[in-house]
Amino acid sequence: GQNIDQPTEMTATEGAIVQINCTYQTSGFNGLFWYQQHAGEAPTFLSYNVLDGLEEKGRFSSFLSRSKGYSYLLLKELQMKDSASYLCAVRDSNYQLIWGAGTKLIIKP
Amino acid sequence: DGGITQSPKYLFRKEGQNVTLSCEQNLNHDAMYWYRQDPGQGLRLIYYSQIVNDFQKGDIAEGYSVSREKKESFPLTVTSAQKNPTAFYLCASSTPETGWETQYFGPGTRLLVL
Repeated sequence: GQNIDQPTEMTATEGAIVQINCTYQTSGFNGLFWYQQHAGEAPTFLSYNVLDGLEEKGRFSSFLSRSKGYSYLLLKELQMKDSASYLCAVRDSNYQLIWGAGTKLIIKP
Repeated sequence: DGGITQSPKYLFRKEGQNVTLSCEQNLNHDAMYWYRQDPGQGLRLIYYSQIVNDFQKGDIAEGYSVSREKKESFPLTVTSAQKNPTAFYLCASSTPETGWETQYFGPGTRLLVL
């Protein structure tokens, strides 16, 4: 079966750095996405990786290793507004998105 | 401003009742999707449509129905056959112009059973 694993919850301190991991086992791979979702709101797109390596976008970076079935989202200089759930999703061989359950990130002052 | 709208924000369903959730987009996107989100679970695909008058079942289509008569609109009906409809429903759209890469989501509808 297809599976996306992420930690359920993480806690970090304002101003610090946090890394959210995502491992996947899917039938085929056509890209990995990270979305941010604040409580009760819609997910918003953060990043897309299809080749191995690091993609940097401001305070957020996303890394992919296809051979290991692994990705991480790195958030730097954490702000209180970064408190949200972070969803990892993989597009499979049928170009369908398979979603992880999300990681709830709690930022403490 | 372009975007996706969903209505209502909250919807209550009585036993045995069909309810319809609205999803409208003015992004001129070809593809539209319906997802269900339950606590502690990832988004699960209910139905999707890549072109007007055509749609495909997702992973959990049983108890749901859709139509795609207009490019802008993709309503979802939760029928009485769906025995556990309480969830957060999200509509999304995408376009081949960005390689179908990014899905844009509406604000969601929370469905509760009375």
